[in-house]
Amino acid sequence: GQNIDQPTEMTATEGAIVQINCTYQTSGFNGLFWYQQHAGEAPTFLSYNVLDGLEEKGRFSSFLSRSKGYSYLLLKELQMKDSASYLCAVLDSNYQLIWGAGTKLIIKP
Amino acid sequence: GAVVSQHPSRVICKSGTSVKIECRSLDFQATTMFWYRQFPKQSLMLMATSNEGSKATYEQGVEKDKFLINHASLTLSTLTVTSAHPEDSSFYICSARDGGTSGFSYEQYFGPGTRLTVT
Repeated sequence: GQNIDQPTEMTATEGAIVQINCTYQTSGFNGLFWYQQHAGEAPTFLSYNVLDGLEEKGRFSSFLSRSKGYSYLLLKELQMKDSASYLCAVLDSNYQLIWGAGTKLIIKP
Repeated sequence: GAVVSQHPSRVICKSGTSVKIECRSLDFQATTMFWYRQFPKQSLMLMATSNEGSKATYEQGVEKDKFLINHASLTLSTLTVTSAHPEDSSFYICSARDGGTSGFSYEQYFGPGTRLTVT
């Protein structure tokens, strides 16, 4: 079966750095997405990785290791507005998005 | 660019009635649209995938006669919840995939969601 694992909840302090991990086992791989979702709102795109390595975009970076079936989202200089759920999703061999359950990130002052 | 609208944003209906939700891609042609449902504190659950001009493909466990999907044009898909019951109360989100005019066609652009409450 297809499976994506990410922690249910994480807590971090404003101004700090947090890393949200995602491991996956899917039938095929055509890329991995990270989305941010605030409560009661639809997801918004953060990043897309299809090759191994680190992609940096401002305060957010995403890393992928295809051989390990592993990705992480790194958030730097945390702000209160970063409190949200972060969803990891893998594009499988049929180009369908397989979604993780999401990681709820709580930022404390 | 790549804006998806969804209407209505909130709807309350009585048990047994039907509700239609519209999903529109405003500035691109969406050959494929997706309908998701999300219960509180849970992740997105894909209900169905619809391609313009053809029948929707429903995920296992989703009743196609209850959740009617129509993707009549490249910019509009509708989801009709027929004979709604309180257990259908949920957050319904659509997303659309660009028809390939961008260089990143597998990204899904999400609508803002529709909060359905069935009383």
